[in-house]
Amino acid sequence: DVKVTQSSRYLVKRTGEKVFLECVQDMDHENMFWYRQDPGLGLRLIYFSYDVKMKEKGDIPEGYSVSREKKERFSLILESASTNQTSMYLCASTTRWADTQYFGPGTRLTVL
Amino acid sequence: AQSVTQLGSHVSVSEGALVLLRCNYSSSVPPYLFWYVQYPNQGLQLLLKYTTGATLVKGINGFEAEFKKSETSFHLTKPSAHMSDAAEYFCAVSLSTDSWGKLQFGAGTQVVVTP
Repeated sequence: DVKVTQSSRYLVKRTGEKVFLECVQDMDHENMFWYRQDPGLGLRLIYFSYDVKMKEKGDIPEGYSVSREKKERFSLILESASTNQTSMYLCASTTRWADTQYFGPGTRLTVL
Repeated sequence: AQSVTQLGSHVSVSEGALVLLRCNYSSSVPPYLFWYVQYPNQGLQLLLKYTTGATLVKGINGFEAEFKKSETSFHLTKPSAHMSDAAEYFCAVSLSTDSWGKLQFGAGTQVVVTP
């Protein structure tokens, strides 16, 4: 079974802090994705990566950056957290040309 | 470009009754279509998908969906609801020409099952 893990289930940070969310997959998938989930808005794509050190912006990249130094690990970075970044963050992975994304359990981030 | 519309943000069904969740999409090329389910405090789990071939697809937990190109729809059904079906359901679309497999999600439908 594909396993996607996220470093924290719940995280509380203060405005202005730098926040790192980590995602690791164990199936040698090329593509990895970061989404945020908000009530009534579904999931929105923040960034994705199709290879080590390669990244592309999604629909809502403002205020975020990403890092992919190893194939299995994809990090989402909030350079200076703001209250409007309070949300559920979900990581997913898939192989190239594959049709199914596999999701991690999510990190619920609260920015105070 | 692609987009997804899910009709109804909340649906309440009685245990044993039909579950029907509606999804309409728009896509500039042949789409891949998905239904995912999210149980409380969990990530998303794939229920079923349509890529090519048979337009009626069966998934896990007794769910099925039918791809209707003429109606640009991919509605999800289950003949008899169970209490364990209470969850949030997301319809999603990707472009068959997209090697990265980017998904566009609907806003989600929360399903409540009453005894």
